[in-house]
Amino acid sequence: DADVTQTPRNRITKTGKRIMLECSQTKGHDRMYWYRQDPGLGLRLIYYSFDVKDINKGEISDGYSVSRQAQAKFSLSLESAIPNQTALYFCATSPPGGNYGYTFGSGTRLTVV
Amino acid sequence: QQQVKQSPQSLIVQKGGISIINCAYENTAFDYFPWYQQFPGKGPALLIAIRPDVSEKKEGRFTISFNKSAKQFSLHIMDSQPGDSATYFCAARSSGTYKYIFGTGTRLKVLA
Repeated sequence: DADVTQTPRNRITKTGKRIMLECSQTKGHDRMYWYRQDPGLGLRLIYYSFDVKDINKGEISDGYSVSRQAQAKFSLSLESAIPNQTALYFCATSPPGGNYGYTFGSGTRLTVV
Repeated sequence: QQQVKQSPQSLIVQKGGISIINCAYENTAFDYFPWYQQFPGKGPALLIAIRPDVSEKKEGRFTISFNKSAKQFSLHIMDSQPGDSATYFCAARSSGTYKYIFGTGTRLKVLA
């Protein structure tokens, strides 16, 4: 089983619909992140959480919200999807402190029509 | 806005050649510089990383060169193979926050 699992893998939704992307991890990491990947723009941070009671906005949080249901679960919601939210979304985890990179999930490809 | 500028956007290399991808940053408060490799349909995976107190780190065919005074770092892939064909991202971690800023990515194609 993957260390970081994202569901769904692909999703097509209509403008104005609410959608939730889910992420669960078996790494035991406290820190979890949501990134968005767009061609030519790289990976941009949407939200991050350093523990269950800690939620922080990233550089592009407008139009998104998150919920940290447990140490292992971090969900991203689009309250009212719009076409420019069409992108590849990645969840990532990292341990606290030290020189460690991220462990990424396999991504959710979201299309808003 | 903190930025990490990555170049080139795409790169084609012959099998056995050397692939070189460059990144430059502005914020001197970055304290850790990883490179990620991403294959189609997969999430980025940590490839190799370096701290700013080291000028070079080598792991197999992959080497990071780091120039602190110029605020630049690069990834060198020696003896490039078709299996290295992927998108590569550089990143920089903002010290004290453990957040990473990513470059825009380089799509590498190694011709057989």
